[in-house]
Amino acid sequence: NAGVTQTPKFQVLKTGQSMTLQCAQDMNHNSMYWYRQDPGMGLRLIYYSASEGTTDKGEVPNGYNVSRLNKREFSLRLESAAPSQTSVYFCASRTATYEQYFGPGTRLTVT
Amino acid sequence: AQSVAQPEDQVNVAEGNPLTVKCTYSVSGNPYLFWYVQYPNRGLQFLLKYITGDNLVKGSYGFEAEFNKSQTSFHLKKPSALVSDSALYFCAVKDAGKSTFGDGTTLTVKP
Repeated sequence: NAGVTQTPKFQVLKTGQSMTLQCAQDMNHNSMYWYRQDPGMGLRLIYYSASEGTTDKGEVPNGYNVSRLNKREFSLRLESAAPSQTSVYFCASRTATYEQYFGPGTRLTVT
Repeated sequence: AQSVAQPEDQVNVAEGNPLTVKCTYSVSGNPYLFWYVQYPNRGLQFLLKYITGDNLVKGSYGFEAEFNKSQTSFHLKKPSALVSDSALYFCAVKDAGKSTFGDGTTLTVKP
């Protein structure tokens, strides 16, 4: 099992550019999550999906959109990147007893 | 809403000594509590969880956690610290369909 995979690992964008972060899990989990991690600010939830076909906003959804393409895949889109979106982005999926499994992260820099 | 607090940003211990990383929680109803570890440039890894049952929960890498309902605490412990335990540790609580994470505690184990 690969667990949770994320692509790309690194990305540099210019302000105003768009991009999609991809996430996939092979553990047959229903729920998936997108977080951002910034120094001194811990882990903040951007969006989550309780099941295929549903998505909900988390703590910091502004500037992002998500798509739950199927049970395996949950993508995060930045339509018009801003320097404030420079961060490390983590995708996770969740078991039935609520422990989460995280991907390796995408390190995004917006200049 | 459920919440957790990690009162220490940093914990320093000498190798071979016992370690404790503190977490307190605030929940309505029965708590589902978790500990995760993050090594540099990696995603979070699940260590252990408390849902019900014994107050002492054993997890990965020799870690354990003690659930204390009267003190609303869920402290992470290890009897003998290793240098390789140096990492960022997060406490988390189930919060509806997602988890709420603490701000993290950096553990440094010195040789």
